[in-house]
Amino acid sequence: GAGVSQSPRYKVAKRGQDVALRCDPISGHVSLFWYQQALGQGPEFLTYFQNEAQLDKSGLPSDRFFAERPEGSVSTLKIQRTQQEDSAVYLCASSLPTGRAGELFFGEGSRLTVL
Amino acid sequence: AQKVTQAQTEISVVEKEDVTLDCVYETRDTTYYLFWYKQPPSGELVFLIRRNSFDEQNEISGRYSWNFQKSTSSFNFTITASQVVDSAVYFCALIDNTNAGKSTFGDGTTLTVKP
Repeated sequence: GAGVSQSPRYKVAKRGQDVALRCDPISGHVSLFWYQQALGQGPEFLTYFQNEAQLDKSGLPSDRFFAERPEGSVSTLKIQRTQQEDSAVYLCASSLPTGRAGELFFGEGSRLTVL
Repeated sequence: AQKVTQAQTEISVVEKEDVTLDCVYETRDTTYYLFWYKQPPSGELVFLIRRNSFDEQNEISGRYSWNFQKSTSSFNFTITASQVVDSAVYFCALIDNTNAGKSTFGDGTTLTVKP
């Protein structure tokens, strides 16, 4: 597709459930990022891939969060045993260059609500 | 540590007024990049501009202009003759060498342009 595609757009989970959020980046984009955006705040970095390699996962809040990009294109962010504090919009972004400071192309996000 | 502060939480103007959105950043690195993104109600952040730390020239793009001043660690964004379609949340972001690949965002400024 022309842009970054994320699914599902909306997810409601009961506390304790596992969720998986998918990101399909722009074709040919090497770098892929996940951000978490709480209501009224800016995006907070979670993790970063260059091709299939996860180069930085320092922003993942706990070991319940796991991200993968096995073939260097589509990525999945998995949250195990969801908690209410996990409720947020999860943004995926991709970037063409392998350098450090490329502009980011964002998807529309996946809004997670944990009840 | 890198930090971005957008002190203005909300701004409301009447169409055709000029408006300036402030951004102050902190970094220990001498090489860094600054960005502005627009987030309309649809939720997808859209890249507007990138500046590197060695280029302090101000930039103008149509009704948009940016004022980068290293002396005050500021990267302000001005919209001239605002329009209703400019209503959105605007984010300033920073990438520095220490945190390569990781964008740090401010909390955003919500701009409302009234007809």
